[in-house]
Amino acid sequence: GAVVSQHPSRVICKSGTSVKIECRSLDFQATTMFWYRQFPKQSLMLMATSNEGSKATYEQGVEKDKFLINHASLTLSTLTVTSAHPEDSSFYICSAPLAGFEQYFGPGTRLTVT
Amino acid sequence: TQLLEQSPQFLSIQEGENLTVYCNSSSVFSSLQWYRQEPGEGPVLLVTVVTGGEVKKLKRLTFQFGDARKDSSLHITAAQPGDTGLYLCAGARGTSYGKLTFGQGTILTVHP
Repeated sequence: GAVVSQHPSRVICKSGTSVKIECRSLDFQATTMFWYRQFPKQSLMLMATSNEGSKATYEQGVEKDKFLINHASLTLSTLTVTSAHPEDSSFYICSAPLAGFEQYFGPGTRLTVT
Repeated sequence: TQLLEQSPQFLSIQEGENLTVYCNSSSVFSSLQWYRQEPGEGPVLLVTVVTGGEVKKLKRLTFQFGDARKDSSLHITAAQPGDTGLYLCAGARGTSYGKLTFGQGTILTVHP
């Protein structure tokens, strides 16, 4: 069964608005979670590392003021896309480590900005 | 930025054939994972390999990690239409197990 959930699965928002995506670890605690982005017909690209109790760390080229990450608890991380633009339309996926090396991914959130 | 070169990008075969997908890099990885992803869904973990030279089998799938931990392969025996999907390799360096670098992916289509 799924070990990581995401909500919502799909969201459509207007340009200039903000949208929040939730990532939850199910039945286990995750002090660290990861956010990836996937454009159509492309692979996953790491955006940032979400750390419980401290600031997120962002990969080079990812705007931290645009993609706000909050690790609210040991089972929840949120990604807020602020002032969304059509080019932010993408498939956003989070992951969390369950045991050592293994990363389990959520089902993803399809964001469409109109 | 380390790169993972995955090949082939597209593979179209008939049911019953064998196939191999390759994942190569000039960098050393502490672990390498293979995922399968269906359209509109997140990647699902198939296997993790950690030790150089390691071979893992999962039914008709065989995964190998290179001796130098720079490359990996996925071999599928007697492919079935249900194997159709996107296969991704992803590597982690050092102790940053969650910071994965993904290959470009291989879209496999198995025709009945």
